[in-house]
Amino acid sequence: KNQVEQSPQSLIILEGKNCTLQCNYTVSPFSNLRWYKQDTGRGPVSLTIMTFSENTKSNGRYTATLDADTKQSSLHITASQLSDSASYICVVTPTGTASKLTFGTGTRLQVTL
Amino acid sequence: EPEVTQTPSHQVTQMGQEVILRCVPISNHLYFYWYRQILGQKVEFLVSFYNNEISEKSEIFDDQFSVERPDGSNFTLKIRSTKLEDSAMYFCASSGGRNERNEQFFGPGTRLTVL
Repeated sequence: KNQVEQSPQSLIILEGKNCTLQCNYTVSPFSNLRWYKQDTGRGPVSLTIMTFSENTKSNGRYTATLDADTKQSSLHITASQLSDSASYICVVTPTGTASKLTFGTGTRLQVTL
Repeated sequence: EPEVTQTPSHQVTQMGQEVILRCVPISNHLYFYWYRQILGQKVEFLVSFYNNEISEKSEIFDDQFSVERPDGSNFTLKIRSTKLEDSAMYFCASSGGRNERNEQFFGPGTRLTVL
């Protein structure tokens, strides 16, 4: 069964610090992997998208990496801000479907003063 | 910037009642989706819709569910006879294409509470 697991489940960091969130997936073959940010009570918003042949993708202070051999991805947040407090979700699109996005369990990040 | 909108933001209903959740996708998008997220759990795919018919659906999307594009702008999800376990956040999404790289843009969600 296609699964996407994330760690840690939750994380608290001080403003200005960096952090790295992990994603492990079993979806295979897959077309692309996305990281979404979901604010409380809101819909997910895409941060990065990578195909299986890409290793890294940046979007401002967000940098995603992908290792298709080990089926792992990470999202690194640099110089965190209070507004980064949200859930970060790893989403994998299996090959052959544009619809059935497989969502991870999410990491709940809280940035504090 | 264009966005997906959903109404209502919160719907409370009695078990067994019918509910209709409404979505207005981004205006030039052609592909529409519904997802749900039970509190504390991951987002789950329900159904995709294109050209006035269902493209794909998950095992969650049983006969109690239906989708419709009643006019040129709205996309609705109907639950015929709600159950307690239907309580969840329901997200609508739309995309401009069906290519696997086409980003799906999500609405803010409707929180459905079944009592």
